Amino acid sequence: GQQLNQSPQSMFIQEGEDVSMNCTSSSIFNTWLWYKQEPGEGPVLLIALYKAGELTSNGRLTAQFGITRKDSFLNISASIPSDVGIYFCAGRDFPGTASKLTFGTGTRL
Amino acid sequence: DTAVSQTPKYLVTQMGNDKSIKCEQNLGHDTMYWYKQDSKKFLKIMFSYNNKELIINETVPNRFSPKSPDKAHLNLHINSLELGDSAVYFCASSQEATNYGYTFGSGTRLTVV
Repeated sequence: GQQLNQSPQSMFIQEGEDVSMNCTSSSIFNTWLWYKQEPGEGPVLLIALYKAGELTSNGRLTAQFGITRKDSFLNISASIPSDVGIYFCAGRDFPGTASKLTFGTGTRL
Repeated sequence: DTAVSQTPKYLVTQMGNDKSIKCEQNLGHDTMYWYKQDSKKFLKIMFSYNNKELIINETVPNRFSPKSPDKAHLNLHINSLELGDSAVYFCASSQEATNYGYTFGSGTRLTVV
């Protein structure tokens, strides 16, 4: 089955630093999504990407849909304490009711 | 008003018991899902339902039986619970036509002792 590998697995940073994480897949995805999960809560959608090469921002977060459609990147600028959590990439293989979101292994910030 | 709500939040039970987790969404979405998150935080899909019909069943043991009485509800019943079933179970919903991401509930932490 499809696998999504995220790196780094975890990172410790100081307030104010920029953060970069990425996600790679063994197969092509139609949609890339980035989620954040805080303790005791479900994942919350941060950014959705729908086209290869697309670059989308949400406040201090910027994500890109890789040209090959097999990878995606998330950057967080000027990190603050509330950025702490686990960040997941997720890929969707094709539109329609039978498609599903496959999640990455997570990056713990 | 919670968009996707799951009950209970915590569930501790003995091996061999049968238990159910309930999920309701008030977003008007037509598709609902169950995901399992293991101790390493890996999220894996178990089932999806579209308008009360089972669409995805990801090689989950027969002891797990989802039930969708209507498109706003998707419950998960687990028979003969095993230690390995201990995990956090997340319900999610989406509107398939829009191709947006899923909205997740806050999870049910199941502990089998």
